[in-house]
Amino acid sequence: KAGVTQTPRYLIKTRGQQVTLSCSPISGHRSVSWYQQTPGQGLQFLFEYFSETQRNKGNFPGRFSGRQFSNSRSEMNVSTLELGDSALYLCASTKSGIRTGELFFGEGSRLTVL
Amino acid sequence: SQQGEEDPQALSIQEGENATMNCSYKTSINNLQWYRQNSGRGLVHLILIRSNEREKHSGRLRVTLDTSKKSSSLLITASRAADTASYFCATDAIGSGNTGKLIFGQGTTLQVKP
Repeated sequence: KAGVTQTPRYLIKTRGQQVTLSCSPISGHRSVSWYQQTPGQGLQFLFEYFSETQRNKGNFPGRFSGRQFSNSRSEMNVSTLELGDSALYLCASTKSGIRTGELFFGEGSRLTVL
Repeated sequence: SQQGEEDPQALSIQEGENATMNCSYKTSINNLQWYRQNSGRGLVHLILIRSNEREKHSGRLRVTLDTSKKSSSLLITASRAADTASYFCATDAIGSGNTGKLIFGQGTTLQVKP
């Protein structure tokens, strides 16, 4: 079956702009979680959505937001981009939630903020 | 930092040798997972060990967990060049505002020389 798909794979934005990233989970998976990966801070949990509801949120400012649709696809949005938002953004899906085990990750969206 | 720590940060070995990497974490956990990441790609789940388990095997992988020391180790036996990647531990943390969040270690970069 198809894996987790993230789009776009690469994008370049300038400071102050906003960006929307998309994640299509594996069919049948109801949980989608998002992570930011940078060389300095490593992998950090952003949020998890399950059946269109945000289950938990990491320690990121309100500029980072997300949502999940009825087909389990998820989007995350970053508004008023800052240079420090340059990162690889990864999403992962799982059937029951991040606490129950194996996450399946997409290849990521690499965001560069100039 | 909320993240766990892994050591060593980098490890270089010859093909056929064993590789051991360690992960320490800060809070109580439900389970601990290990993931592999090839350069700039998504993460691949390797193994999950629950808090009431002490050791688990999967193929050439052996994971131990010591909850009293809040530490885990991943052993890769008879390493291959294809094992070259970064390895991350991730904890399903409990308490201290971390419940429901997946906390990643900083990772160990493993290079296996042919």
